[in-house]
Amino acid sequence: KQEVTQIPAALSVPEGENLVLNCSFTDSAIYNLQWFRQDPGKGLTSLLLIQSSQREQTSGRLNASLDKSSGRSTLYIAASQPGDSATYLCAVSTITPSDYGGSQGNLIFGKGTKLSVKP
Amino acid sequence: GAVVSQHPSWVICKSGTSVKIECRSLDFQATTMFWYRQFPKQSLMLMATSNEGSKATYEQGVEKDKFLINHASLTLSTLTVTSAHPEDSSFYICSARSGPVNSPLHFGNGTRLTVT
Repeated sequence: KQEVTQIPAALSVPEGENLVLNCSFTDSAIYNLQWFRQDPGKGLTSLLLIQSSQREQTSGRLNASLDKSSGRSTLYIAASQPGDSATYLCAVSTITPSDYGGSQGNLIFGKGTKLSVKP
Repeated sequence: GAVVSQHPSWVICKSGTSVKIECRSLDFQATTMFWYRQFPKQSLMLMATSNEGSKATYEQGVEKDKFLINHASLTLSTLTVTSAHPEDSSFYICSARSGPVNSPLHFGNGTRLTVT
């Protein structure tokens, strides 16, 4: 059964710092890995998607890496800003359907890292 | 592109009533949609997979008779919470895929359900 773990659960940094969020998963049979941002009480904003054949993706100040063999991904945020404060979720797209018939390609989420960037 | 619209964004209902939540793919066709639930300070948990023209498949612990899913067209899936109870209060969010199985999922903005 695929399990996704995110460390740390919460992180508080001063504005301007570079930071790294970690994600690990137990089953390397994935199509891709996505990083999302969720603001309190809101839906999900997709940040980056890394296909299983890729090693990293970049978008602006964000860089995500994927090491599928070791079951790890990191999200690097450069020059953090107060507007980056949110919960960041990592999710993997499963190749193996769930035991209860769930379709391939559904996302298994970690519990998230709650980031607070202080001005 | 690839916009998923979810309605309503929030709803308050009395215990024992039923609530329907709609999920629409606005600019693409989705043969598969997924319904997730998120309790406070928890992550998103998959409830069921909705397949157009066939029965939904439910994850462990999710009652199919309580959470009715209908995927009648390639652009619309509905989740009906029947005989809602306070413990059903949660954030429900749908997603849909616009391409092959390794393509990204696109999420609606979610529905906050409060059962009083």
